[in-house]
Amino acid sequence: DVKVTQSSRYLVKRTGEKVFLECVQDMDHENMFWYRQDPGLGLRLIYFSYDVKMKEKGDIPEGYSVSREKKERFSLILESASTNQTSMYLCASNRDFGYGYTFGSGTRLTVV
Amino acid sequence: LAKTTQPISMDSYEGQEVNITCSHNNIATNDYITWYQQFPSQGPRFIIQGYKTKVTNEVASLFIPADRKSSTLSLPRVSLSDTAVYYCLVGDNQGGKLIFGQGTELSVKP
Repeated sequence: DVKVTQSSRYLVKRTGEKVFLECVQDMDHENMFWYRQDPGLGLRLIYFSYDVKMKEKGDIPEGYSVSREKKERFSLILESASTNQTSMYLCASNRDFGYGYTFGSGTRLTVV
Repeated sequence: LAKTTQPISMDSYEGQEVNITCSHNNIATNDYITWYQQFPSQGPRFIIQGYKTKVTNEVASLFIPADRKSSTLSLPRVSLSDTAVYYCLVGDNQGGKLIFGQGTELSVKP
């Protein structure tokens, strides 16, 4: 089974901190994605990557950046965390577009 | 990108068959239809994907009529553990930008 592992289940950070959310997949998938999930808003795509060092903006990229230096790892960076970035963050991967995603368990980030 | 519409919530009882219908009037020729299941505090889990007609796996069936403007996820003989949110997604294999709607919250009662 494909595994997508997110480094932390819960994180508490202070406003203004730089935050790194790490995601690793172990099945050599080409594509990786970062979503955030909020009550009433569903899942919203932040960024995705279809190759190493490649990235594409999703629907809500403002306040975030990403890094994909290795195929298996996709990092989401909050340059200066703000309280409105308190959310559940979900990483996903798939082997090619048109195929199902495999999601990680999520990181619940609280910014205080 | 095609938008999906599905019921916000559904109730069922153990052992019943549950059918959740998703409307996607603007589906494009290259779009696939995919369903996910999500439990609280977990990431969504892929259930089934199809393009047309009927697809069946060990978990569910997916029925897609000829015009592909809707699809129905069928869960046979649900149990309490099937209580979850079910998402219908429509997307092509080019842009990778699958859009999640609000999902259907299924509650299975004893």
